[in-house]
Amino acid sequence: EMQLVESGGGLVQPGGSLRLSCAASGFRFSEYWMTWVRQAPGKGLEWVGNINEGGREKHYVDSVKGRFTISRDDAKNSLFLEMNSLRAEDTAVYYCARDVSGGSGTYFYYYGMDVWGQGTTVTVSS
Amino acid sequence: QSVLTQPPSASGTPGQRVTISCSGSNSNIGSKTVNWYQQLPGTAPKLLIYSNNQRPSGVPDRFSGSKSGTSASLAISGLQSEDEADYYCATWDDSLHGPVFGGGTKLTVL
Repeated sequence: EMQLVESGGGLVQPGGSLRLSCAASGFRFSEYWMTWVRQAPGKGLEWVGNINEGGREKHYVDSVKGRFTISRDDAKNSLFLEMNSLRAEDTAVYYCARDVSGGSGTYFYYYGMDVWGQGTTVTVSS
Repeated sequence: QSVLTQPPSASGTPGQRVTISCSGSNSNIGSKTVNWYQQLPGTAPKLLIYSNNQRPSGVPDRFSGSKSGTSASLAISGLQSEDEADYYCATWDDSLHGPVFGGGTKLTVL
């Protein structure tokens, strides 16, 4: 069974840091792009960023650029989200998810996020 | 404000057919495929439709997707109480190199 399990959430003060982890099992983790998505209380889904197979290519939503860093350890089937300079507006449930995409240019396809973790809650408050 | 526009709410009675719309522009829906996610209360999202109208394994054929121009729709036929959930459309954004989501539609089964 394909599974993603997040951990590392908690309460942190504004300006603080937190590192989220996502453990993958049941599929070849190293062969997929991976994504972080967050959901603020009572709000919709927001893509945070993603990382390619191998970890050399990363992309982020503007609101977290320079503060959040995505990384992966394929040997340990793990995805990470390092969050620094946290703000109240970063309060959310954070989900990791597997991206299904491929090709390039005209032949690029994106089939969405087909495996999701259960989420871990991050609260930024003094 | 989301790049993709969805109605905040929709409703229907058991057995009915309901549709949820998702409106975008030429730079997103108009040139990319659309995915739909279902989020049951208190749970993680689940991929419901990909590539405009394809269902992942295990998704009932009561759920169907379509796209025309800069708009997409999710249709649910034979509505059931367990379909009560939030539904999100999403599509790829080249400038982000990631997906953008609609604001979500809360479906209530009356």
